[in-house]
Amino acid sequence: GAGVSQSPSNKVTEKGKDVELRCDPISGHTALYWYRQSLGQGLEFLIYFQGNSAPDKSGLPSDRFSAERTGGSVSTLTIQRTQQEDSAVYLCASSVTGIAVHNEQFFGPGTRLTVL
Amino acid sequence: GEDVEQSLFLSVREGDSSVINCTYTDSSSTYLYWYKQEPGAGLQLLTYIFSNMDMKQDQRLTVLLNKKDKHLSLRIADTQTGDSAIYFCAETPFRSSNTGKLIFGQGTTLQVKP
Repeated sequence: GAGVSQSPSNKVTEKGKDVELRCDPISGHTALYWYRQSLGQGLEFLIYFQGNSAPDKSGLPSDRFSAERTGGSVSTLTIQRTQQEDSAVYLCASSVTGIAVHNEQFFGPGTRLTVL
Repeated sequence: GEDVEQSLFLSVREGDSSVINCTYTDSSSTYLYWYKQEPGAGLQLLTYIFSNMDMKQDQRLTVLLNKKDKHLSLRIADTQTGDSAIYFCAETPFRSSNTGKLIFGQGTTLQVKP
């Protein structure tokens, strides 16, 4: 595709519900990242996928958060039993490769999650 | 540890130069980046600098890197109203160089007054 796309653009949910956020990376990009942007905070790394390798989940804040990347392309970030502190903009990025050297990450427009 | 700090707000007049500053703690950083985020849009890479450089110029943008003080700055010459946005400083620590994971600052909101 022309760029990284994310859906939905906005999601309002009630505390305790599960949500799924979707990311379509740029075609041919092997690396995919999820970041979280909370109000007044910088972007916080959540998880990284590279090809068929095991993902780097070191940034996931709790076991309520999980992510999958099917077929090396589309990724889904799932938040179970959402809490109000999960309210944030969730950004997805992809790059040609995540391995060493400079690799430009292309960001999607984000999904704004509001937990009531 | 990994920490990136930026001032939160900068206001300048159109035509003036803007200087956005950033400090980081991880001396092993390999690349340092400046991203721009306009309202409702994703982040856009503006420029980057490799850690063995001390300056990089790209049209109206000048990046200065002081490795000794772990200080990075972005200078925008002849600032225009279209430059109004949030600017993020980011680094790739060496330990993350095999993933490209970025550590971001909080972002500096640049307001350009006509």
